[in-house]
Amino acid sequence: NAGVTQTPKFRVLKTGQSMTLLCAQDMNHEYMYWYRQDPGMGLRLIHYSVGEGTTAKGEVPDGYNVSRLKKQNFLLGLESAAPSQTSVYFCASSYSNVRGGFYEQFFGPGTRLTVL
Amino acid sequence: TQLLEQSPQFLSIQEGENLTVYCNSSSVFSSLQWYRQEPGEGPVLLVTVVTGGEVKKLKRLTFQFGDARKDSSLHITAAQPGDTGLYLCAGAAGTGNQFYFGTGTSLTVIP
Repeated sequence: NAGVTQTPKFRVLKTGQSMTLLCAQDMNHEYMYWYRQDPGMGLRLIHYSVGEGTTAKGEVPDGYNVSRLKKQNFLLGLESAAPSQTSVYFCASSYSNVRGGFYEQFFGPGTRLTVL
Repeated sequence: TQLLEQSPQFLSIQEGENLTVYCNSSSVFSSLQWYRQEPGEGPVLLVTVVTGGEVKKLKRLTFQFGDARKDSSLHITAAQPGDTGLYLCAGAAGTGNQFYFGTGTSLTVIP
């Protein structure tokens, strides 16, 4: 049981290049999320998905696209990278704790992206 | 955007001391979570509080959710070096499956 995995772990891009970050979870969770973490700003939600084939915008969606073609995978794409997208990106998945009335999130180890 | 402010932003204390971290907002949340994050890793969930006024204890850590469900606190008794890390609060909004994170408190416990 690997939990939430992310690839790659590190990446350096030049301005204008594109890339895709892959997130995979083996816990059969319905919900998946992409966050970015910047110093002094906590984590900010980019996009999320409440199920296979569905996606929705979070707080900071501009410059990113996502797809959830399979329940276990959530892809984050940068079509034309900008230096402002230099950050650490975290994927998370969650399930509904029906008895407790809340959702529990599990995070991947992160992808450190630098855009030059 | 539902802003969650954490204070203090940085905290450096000696082993054995007590400390409290605060998480405040003007918004109401359906639940609030606390995470700890170590360098190079993703956040790990410590606790979820759901009911206004709720208090939960996890060994030396005590978590409280404000009566109005707008704020929370984390109290650590007799801090140890292993408590060092970044503490994040996160409030659940909407149907409860969207989370807004606080700005984080970086704790260093000196042996």
